[in-house]
Amino acid sequence: GAVVSQHPSRVICKSGTSVKIECRSLDFQATTMFWYRQFPKQSLMLMATSNEGSKATYEQGVEKDKFLINHASLTLSTLTVTSAHPEDSSFYICSASRRGPSYGYTFGSGTRLTVV
Amino acid sequence: SQELEQSPQSLIVQEGKNLTINCTSSKTLYGLYWYKQKYGEGLIFLMMLQKGGEEKSHEKITAKLDEKKQQSSLHITASQPSHAGIYLCGADRGGDYKLSFGAGTTVTVRA
Repeated sequence: GAVVSQHPSRVICKSGTSVKIECRSLDFQATTMFWYRQFPKQSLMLMATSNEGSKATYEQGVEKDKFLINHASLTLSTLTVTSAHPEDSSFYICSASRRGPSYGYTFGSGTRLTVV
Repeated sequence: SQELEQSPQSLIVQEGKNLTINCTSSKTLYGLYWYKQKYGEGLIFLMMLQKGGEEKSHEKITAKLDEKKQQSSLHITASQPSHAGIYLCGADRGGDYKLSFGAGTTVTVRA
């Protein structure tokens, strides 16, 4: 079955530094990858959609300069949280899809980011 | 605002009992997905429904999508401790393949 690897699973960083999170599709080519954010006991909020080789599309209210997304290949997308602040602490999770609904969406295991 | 209404928010069932979770949208859904999540972990795909009136089952879990494609239910028969977790419904509401999620239902199964 389709597998998505997300790394790191946990990261602690100091305020003002940047953190990169990787999302890899291991056994399929992901034409589209999605990045979500989840606050404690809340649902997943879609942050942005990235297609290989093109700029990411951000959801309303998500700062493009704060959350940099790169989808350089069909198997890798990265999310960089720049100049992180404590309010950026959250659970970030990626999802990859080969195509539309017929192929479904496979989720990574998530990254717990703590900014101190 | 949350466009996918999921209910109940949480429920506690005795092991061996059945349970049902509902997911409702005010708009027609292009695809309805059910996932299970353990807190702080990734999502495990359960089922996908696309056609009005569609019903799918896997082991003790059955999911249905109504004819209007605006409401779905997830039913677990004879619940076990392994069924405990957070159940999320996700839907493609605009045909653009973006998944939006309901608030989730936390299921606790008591032995």
